[in-house]
Amino acid sequence: QSALTQPASVSGSPGQSITISCTGTSSDVGGYNYVSWYQQHPGKAPKLMIYDVSNRPSGVSNRFSGSKSGNTASLTISGLQAEDEADYYCNSYTSTSIRVFGGGTKLTVL
Amino acid sequence: EVQVVESGGDLVQPGRSLRLSCTTSGFSFGDYAMNWVRQAPGKGLEWVGFIRSKTYGGTTQYAASVEGRFSISRDDSESIAYLQMNSLKTEDTAIYYCSRLILGRRNGFDVWGQGTMVTVSS
Repeated sequence: QSALTQPASVSGSPGQSITISCTGTSSDVGGYNYVSWYQQHPGKAPKLMIYDVSNRPSGVSNRFSGSKSGNTASLTISGLQAEDEADYYCNSYTSTSIRVFGGGTKLTVL
Repeated sequence: EVQVVESGGDLVQPGRSLRLSCTTSGFSFGDYAMNWVRQAPGKGLEWVGFIRSKTYGGTTQYAASVEGRFSISRDDSESIAYLQMNSLKTEDTAIYYCSRLILGRRNGFDVWGQGTMVTVSS
């Protein structure tokens, strides 16, 4: 099972919106509504931001939203803030019941 | 408070074995599937494997990179999950995280430990 494809980096200015894509296949992202997103600050453990494509866990800001179209899932962060600068990873359930992560995207807040 | 704490990381020679522990508290451990995720130095996250709750048979699944070498088990009476790593390779060097899968869901690792470092080197 290959890793999901994410852009290596994205950037945006405070207050702007950015979108991070996560592309897989019909055997993972496209086949199930089981995509999750994680935020990881340097030296810290990952934090769940979105699950089941578009659901936010309690305590996660509503500036974070998720969606999916075909084999590509997306994480959108609106009203960008300095504290959003981090690495972001997508994860998907697959047809063999294993899970797979994307390669990660480094978000820079300019 | 819901907590997950990994332990057992160490420096080990290639070909040797190591067992990591994931000690949990603050939730009904037996109801949850538990996952192991690793992160090599400077690299991204890699899903290693997971173990279902006894309700779902307590079965396990693994990434292809560790299948046949790693095994996950659980002790519901102690609220601990284990990762047994055999025939270790230098490429297994990573921080190993234990995480909980959201109850009843197929994705969403909602609680994570701080990780434990495993270094495989001669």
